[in-house]
Amino acid sequence: SQQGEEDPQALSIQEGENATMNCSYKTSINNLQWYRQNSGRGLVHLILIRSNEREKHSGRLRVTLDTSKKSSSLLITASRAADTASYFCATAPGGSARQLTFGSGTQLTVLP
Amino acid sequence: DSGVTQTPKHLITATGQRVTLRCSPRSGDLSVYWYQQSLDQGLQFLIQYYNGEERAKGNILERFSAQQFPDLHSELNLSSLELGDSALYFCASSATGTGNPRVAQETQYFGPGTRLLVL
Repeated sequence: SQQGEEDPQALSIQEGENATMNCSYKTSINNLQWYRQNSGRGLVHLILIRSNEREKHSGRLRVTLDTSKKSSSLLITASRAADTASYFCATAPGGSARQLTFGSGTQLTVLP
Repeated sequence: DSGVTQTPKHLITATGQRVTLRCSPRSGDLSVYWYQQSLDQGLQFLIQYYNGEERAKGNILERFSAQQFPDLHSELNLSSLELGDSALYFCASSATGTGNPRVAQETQYFGPGTRLLVL
């Protein structure tokens, strides 16, 4: 079953604009990870944020985590056509378990 | 390139058949995870192995089984295949998986996947 729900399901923006995707989850987590998937291909790890962190940056990516609201957001700044892909959040539960539970994904289209 | 390899890339077979998917983790990674991605179920965790031993089970059907060998590569066996088994099967690896509380983060690196089509 899906732990997380991404919002929106699809997002279309112009090149140069910022893209924000949100993820909500249900249970307590150890960490939350964001992945990118180009159509029908493998998942590329983007960023990991721990449950005790509130914000993290990596290049043009900014991730926030609010454990009280069980939500996270991924911001991509100055988007490029090459950012067109599906973006998934994935949570690793607390305790010793390490398997990821994925959200349903946001399909981002960046128009040139 | 994540360093995780999967073979074959594509597999077409008939209902009732059995197939084996293979995964080689990144060098040094002890944990291997298998995931299934389908249009109706999304990405779902199937099973995890750590250093040769089964560590966690998810939504894996009884018709499916997996193992991790001493050289740490893993195989996912799918038998009595049904049309609904058509999906992308991903393998991922990570450095640990023991639940060591001193290891707070666990990045999983995914392979390119095997696309299975059951006709």
